[in-house]
Amino acid sequence: EDKVVQSPLSLVVHEGDTVTLNCSYEVTNFRSLLWYKQEKKAPTFLFMLTSSGIEKKSGRLSSILDKKELFSILNITATQTGDSAVYLCAVCPSGTYKYIFGTGTRLKVLA
Amino acid sequence: DADVTQTPRNRITKTGKRIMLECSQTKGHDRMYWYRQDPGLGLRLIYYSFDVKDINKGEISDGYSVSRQAQAKFSLSLESAIPNQTALYFCATSDPSGRRTDTQYFGPGTRLTVL
Repeated sequence: EDKVVQSPLSLVVHEGDTVTLNCSYEVTNFRSLLWYKQEKKAPTFLFMLTSSGIEKKSGRLSSILDKKELFSILNITATQTGDSAVYLCAVCPSGTYKYIFGTGTRLKVLA
Repeated sequence: DADVTQTPRNRITKTGKRIMLECSQTKGHDRMYWYRQDPGLGLRLIYYSFDVKDINKGEISDGYSVSRQAQAKFSLSLESAIPNQTALYFCATSDPSGRRTDTQYFGPGTRLTVL
């Protein structure tokens, strides 16, 4: 059965800390892995990863994929209170395009 | 204006009632999806459609039906609502021909409560 597992489930840090969120997957016919940020509304796109070892960066956020070990990490440096959200990882398999989401990591950044 | 809209945004209904949730998009995407989100369970796929004539069940389609009236519209129906269908429902679109081929764009969500 295809699945995506995120860890930790929740995390509380202080402003300025660096956090690493994990996403591991078991999916038949992997095509891509996506990270989303969800505040109190709809998920918004952060990164799409298809190739191993290539880091995607956007400001203080970065992500990398390891297709051999079947996981991805999302790093956030110098965290701010505005980073508080649920971070979702999803895997898109080829063929069916039935996205599989993890349960998310709830991040709270304290001032 | 938002690219993906959902109506209603909030709905409270009673057990046994028929409910329709509507989704419209102006992105011109062929692919549309319906998800539900429950605390601790993430997003789960209910139905998806790759074009007007293509409808596919997701992992939790029982108790739901859909209609793709046009490329821009995808409706989700609960024929006879039950309390465990209380959840946050999201519509999403994606464009396989775009630069970010697998990125999904989500509507604002519909919070449904079944009493």
